[in-house]
Amino acid sequence: DTAVSQTPKYLVTQMGNDKSIKCEQNLGHDTMYWYKQDSKKFLKIMFSYNNKELIINETVPNRFSPKSPDKAHLNLHINSLELGDSAVYFCASSLRGNTDTQYFGPGTRLTVL
Amino acid sequence: DQQVKQNSPSLSVQEGRISILNCDYTNSMFDYFLWYKKYPAEGPTFLISISSIKDKNEDGRFTVFLNKSAKHLSLHIVPSQPGDSAVYFCAAGLSGSARQLTFGSGTQLTVLP
Repeated sequence: DTAVSQTPKYLVTQMGNDKSIKCEQNLGHDTMYWYKQDSKKFLKIMFSYNNKELIINETVPNRFSPKSPDKAHLNLHINSLELGDSAVYFCASSLRGNTDTQYFGPGTRLTVL
Repeated sequence: DQQVKQNSPSLSVQEGRISILNCDYTNSMFDYFLWYKKYPAEGPTFLISISSIKDKNEDGRFTVFLNKSAKHLSLHIVPSQPGDSAVYFCAAGLSGSARQLTFGSGTQLTVLP
């Protein structure tokens, strides 16, 4: 009965490869997010989708492309991986957004070699 | 340009005593604030929030205080328990905006038995 799930939990890959991280929520929420936790431990918003529509797109390289096939899923595809992409990526969801509490997935630790 | 800062990366407290975690912000437009708790290899989980129209919100052992003039908030945990050992993230947001939260870098709390 996991609320927000992400796969894979760990991802190790070579520079230049293309990889995807999947996220699913079973809470019936309308809004989903991707965050990146960098080496300094800050959690930074990357994208936000509301009912499959992109509403936040921070200054993220266009090698990162989110895809929302339905409102329960928000996947993150990364092209041409670079060393600096190594981080922990968290997916989250909230009922409506704004002041609604965000529920986080367990994170995906991406290591680019 | 970090708009939310947690200047203490770590804090150790004896079991049964009070834990005080601090957070400062620079954007005076923020009007709601949250604390999240994170255990290793898990995503952050929501702990407590406060709106800018209040200066205190209490939930069991957890109390959040907001000082708008100082742009400062704090989380008090009384009494502290070993299970409270985790990383605590402060986050701030703008209600009515594009559903975006800005996070601090976290404080590792260790409660010693």
